Amino acid sequence: QQQVKQSPQSLIVQKGGISIINCAYENTAFDYFPWYQQFPGKGPALLIAIRPDVSEKKEGRFTISFNKSAKQFSLHIMDSQPGDSATYFCAAQGSARQLTFGSGTQLTVLP
Amino acid sequence: GAVVSQHPSRVICKSGTSVKIECRSLDFQATTMFWYRQFPKQSLMLMATSNEGSKATYEQGVEKDKFLINHASLTLSTLTVTSAHPEDSSFYICSAPRQGAVYGYTFGSGTRLTVV
Repeated sequence: QQQVKQSPQSLIVQKGGISIINCAYENTAFDYFPWYQQFPGKGPALLIAIRPDVSEKKEGRFTISFNKSAKQFSLHIMDSQPGDSATYFCAAQGSARQLTFGSGTQLTVLP
Repeated sequence: GAVVSQHPSRVICKSGTSVKIECRSLDFQATTMFWYRQFPKQSLMLMATSNEGSKATYEQGVEKDKFLINHASLTLSTLTVTSAHPEDSSFYICSAPRQGAVYGYTFGSGTRLTVV
C-alpha cells in the first residue's frame, strides 16, 4: 500500500517560474515531512522539512505548504533555475523512524 | 557534520559473485542504518534496517540470505549482495539518523551495482 502519493511524475518549468510538487499521505501517525533532492547517480539530499504543527515553512526559494486536515503537503520552488533540475521526493516519517518516500518528480527547468 | 561515506560508488561484477558495500558514519555514531534500493526512475525502497550489535530487520520480500547486512560497529554498516544476478543490478543507498536527533537522516552517495 502506497502511503505517500506524489504528483506530478514529471514537470517542466521555464527559468524564473514556480515549480509546484504535491504529496498526500494516509497515515495520520506521520509527524515529520521532509523533501529530498536527488541528482543522477547521487544519494538524496535533504532540502527542507516540516512538522505538522505549522502550515508553512520557507527556506530561501523553497517553501513547504502543509494542510493537516487534508493530509496534503507541497513543495514550491520560486524563481526556478536550471540548476534545480533534479528528481524531488517527498517523504514522511513516523515513530518507527522509517521514511516512506513518494514516487518522485523529475523536474526540468528550461534555460 | 553528519556525513555518511558510502563505497564503492560504482561496481561491476560477474554473475554468481558477491559484492560488499560499505557505509561509514564519519563524524557521528550510527546506531541504526537503513538500506535502500532504487531502480531507474523509481523511488527508494527500504530493504532492511540494521542496528549495531544485533540482527538486521528485513522488509517483506527481501531475501535476508542474499542481502547480508552487518553492523558490527557504531561507525560501519555493510551490505553484501551474495551470488549476484543481473536482476540485482540497482542503485543501493544507505542512510543513518543523525545522532541524537529524532528526525532527519543523512544519506550516503549511493552505489551503482551492475551485474554482468
